[in-house]
Amino acid sequence: SAVISQKPSRDICQRGTSLTIQCQVDSQVTMMFWYRQQPGQSLTLIATANQGSEATYESGFVIDKFPISRPNLTFSTLTVSNMSPEDSSIYLCSVGTSGTQEQYFGPGTRLTVT
Amino acid sequence: KQEVTQIPAALSVPEGENLVLNCSFTDSAIYNLQWFRQDPGKGLTSLLLIQSSQREQTSGRLNASLDKSSGRSTLYIAASQPGDSATYLCAARTFNQGGKLIFGQGTELSVKP
Repeated sequence: SAVISQKPSRDICQRGTSLTIQCQVDSQVTMMFWYRQQPGQSLTLIATANQGSEATYESGFVIDKFPISRPNLTFSTLTVSNMSPEDSSIYLCSVGTSGTQEQYFGPGTRLTVT
Repeated sequence: KQEVTQIPAALSVPEGENLVLNCSFTDSAIYNLQWFRQDPGKGLTSLLLIQSSQREQTSGRLNASLDKSSGRSTLYIAASQPGDSATYLCAARTFNQGGKLIFGQGTELSVKP
């Protein structure tokens, strides 16, 4: 299994500002994912971040709005840029394991945009 | 395109009852199916992973089954406890969508003392 931590755990931000969320894993992993969970909804994949390559974004998500960094095999950041109230969500970091392909999730970052 | 559906959306049971949560998926070409638990405002905890070649997996009071031919999985919880109260999500890792996990909407479980 993998132990994942995220910072911050929650934040309240003003419209038009940006927030960077950090994700740290206790072991080296190839595949890292960022998800969004809007209030009362299930999870939506934002992008896949593999070390050494550009992140791959899902339909409806763009790099200018959600830039991602993946500098090494244990760390990634997601920035939510030029925030609006519609960005209020829980943002979750996740990692996939080779072999069984079991996926693990971090505790999430609860973002409220006012 | 894979669609994952969970029924019921919400369930309330008295403590001690055995219960079954249902998950159905439209595309049977899956690598595996994973069940998660989510407490309010928190991240997801992996409960059970069933590979496509397996029929069931067990962990403690939890048993998950998989029937690919009918596109169904069930999560059985024995002797439910108030601490089991949470939202339970199933997710199918699907061949035809690049191996991505496709999530259901979840079942919100409340176990009353």
